[in-house]
Amino acid sequence: QKEVEQDPGPLSVPEGAIVSLNCTYSNSAFQYFMWYRQYSRKGPELLMYTYSSGNKEDGRFTAQVDKSSKYISLFIRDSQPSDSATYLCAMSESGGSYIPTFGRGTSLIVHP
Amino acid sequence: GAVVSQHPSRVICKSGTSVKIECRSLDFQATTMFWYRQFPKQSLMLMATSNEGSKATYEQGVEKDKFLINHASLTLSTLTVTSAHPEDSSFYICSARVLRGRGYTFGSGTRLTVV
Repeated sequence: QKEVEQDPGPLSVPEGAIVSLNCTYSNSAFQYFMWYRQYSRKGPELLMYTYSSGNKEDGRFTAQVDKSSKYISLFIRDSQPSDSATYLCAMSESGGSYIPTFGRGTSLIVHP
Repeated sequence: GAVVSQHPSRVICKSGTSVKIECRSLDFQATTMFWYRQFPKQSLMLMATSNEGSKATYEQGVEKDKFLINHASLTLSTLTVTSAHPEDSSFYICSARVLRGRGYTFGSGTRLTVV
């Protein structure tokens, strides 16, 4: 079993839909949780960063962390075609070098 | 802020030659940089951790003599793929932890094709 599981998709939704992206993990020591967006042939771009459990909102994006279930989510409201990209979850332990472990990414397609 | 510039974005080389990829932190000092490899529709695979002024730390299974990493200054890390083979063709990305910040910032990636 991989440390971080993420459905690769693709996930296809109409413009304006609410998108839900998820990751599960097995390492209970993970404390920092991140979501990255990666456009084709580009480096990942940090979208959200959360520590421990709870919710965090930034514009159309909401990140949720449920440590008891080892489950994290990213919600995108009012999705736009420009949101079409691959979304990678990442997480790291506290202490040490904080090197993140990445999911394989979910490909999202928002069609007009 | 916290920009990492990576060059080249795309390179094609012949088998047996060497290729150097550069990553520069433009507006911050990066004592540590990370080098990843990414295959199509796959996750980022950490290859090595580059430390300024010291030897890089390689992940298990990564050939040190093939993937040479140099971190000569607080703003520059380089990855040299030596004696390249077609199986080395991949997308290589560097990353640095944002000091006093959170998360990591990534370079734009280098698409290496070995023919």
